[in-house]
Amino acid sequence: NAGVTQTPKFRILKIGQSMTLQCAQDMNHNYMYWYRQDPGMGLKLIYYSVGAGITDKGEVPNGYNVSRSTTEDFPLRLELAAPSQTSVYFCASSYSRQMKTQYFGPGTRLLVL
Amino acid sequence: SQELEQSPQSLIVQEGKNLTINCTSSKTLYGLYWYKQKYGEGLIFLMMLQKGGEEKSHEKITAKLDEKKQQSSLHITASQPSHAGIYLCGADRNYGGSQGNLIFGKGTKLSVKP
Repeated sequence: NAGVTQTPKFRILKIGQSMTLQCAQDMNHNYMYWYRQDPGMGLKLIYYSVGAGITDKGEVPNGYNVSRSTTEDFPLRLELAAPSQTSVYFCASSYSRQMKTQYFGPGTRLLVL
Repeated sequence: SQELEQSPQSLIVQEGKNLTINCTSSKTLYGLYWYKQKYGEGLIFLMMLQKGGEEKSHEKITAKLDEKKQQSSLHITASQPSHAGIYLCGADRNYGGSQGNLIFGKGTKLSVKP
């Protein structure tokens, strides 16, 4: 199993550009999450999904969108990049509401200039 | 809302020394998760604790959830350079109605000097 994979590893965007951060898991997990990690601020939940076709907002959803068309994939879309979105983005997955241990991808480092 | 506070924020120890990291919650903990993060990498799951008084060990790392279930400690015995990294605690956001969401502490940065 590859676990949770994320692409790209690093990206530089100009203000106003758009991009999609890819996330995939091969563990047949129902739950998937997107976090951002800023220095000294810990992890903040952006969006999460409890299954294909179902998504919901986390703490900091503004400026982002997600979709979950399959169990395996959970892409995160940035429509109009802003410097405040400079961060490290982590995708995670867990099996169920009862089995909550989350497994994380390696992260995507995004710089918006 | 529930908050998790970790202490210390950073720690430098000599190789071979023992150390403890604490995670304190503003509310009762129903599930406490410890993760380790190396610089530039994702979070690696270490251990999960659910019951008050529960203690788990993996190699030289021991985690405990106190009886009142509002604090957890992570203890490393005879630290090694491989233990260096950022340790984060995570907790169930809401009990019962939870959608599996976790909240995280801000992390404790551990450096081990050879």
